[in-house]
Amino acid sequence: DADVTQTPRNRITKTGKRIMLECSQTKGHDRMYWYRQDPGLGLRLIYYSFDVKDINKGEISDGYSVSRQAQAKFSLSLESAIPNQTALYFCATSRGPEAFFGQGTRLTVV
Amino acid sequence: TQLLEQSPQFLSIQEGENLTVYCNSSSVFSSLQWYRQEPGEGPVLLVTVVTGGEVKKLKRLTFQFGDARKDSSLHITAAQPGDTGLYLCAGVGIGSWGKLQFGAGTQVVVTP
Repeated sequence: DADVTQTPRNRITKTGKRIMLECSQTKGHDRMYWYRQDPGLGLRLIYYSFDVKDINKGEISDGYSVSRQAQAKFSLSLESAIPNQTALYFCATSRGPEAFFGQGTRLTVV
Repeated sequence: TQLLEQSPQFLSIQEGENLTVYCNSSSVFSSLQWYRQEPGEGPVLLVTVVTGGEVKKLKRLTFQFGDARKDSSLHITAAQPGDTGLYLCAGVGIGSWGKLQFGAGTQVVVTP
């Protein structure tokens, strides 16, 4: 089993719908991150959390929210999806500076 | 604006050639990491450099951290098709409270 698991792997949703992407980890790390990846832009930080009670905005948090339900679980929500949120989304965990990634969720908003 | 600027954006070379990828910033980093990402997968950590001027080798890959800890380079010797991938640098800037940020990446294609 993967150390960092993202569900779903692929999702197509309609504009205006609420959608949640889930991430769980078995590495025992405190730090968890959500990134989106677009061609030519690399990975941009959406939100990050250093423990269950700590949530911080990243570079591009508008239109997104997160919930840290437990040390091992960090979910990302799009309250009202729009087409320019079509992207590849990655969850990552870390203890120190080095991050470990899930396999990504490919989200398409039509 | 990316905190970490990578160059070039794209590199296509023949098997056996050498290549260098650069990662630059105006900010100081306590450490920098290099990752490689293949299509459909998440990035995978290759190396972390911590000390200014540090050089680390991983088989045919050589990583260097600048003396001022603001830049890094990745050099691949005698590239092979298996080196094809997106190379990403990442780091936590001094005073950025643990925000791990990435460069835009360099797409490397090595053809036989």
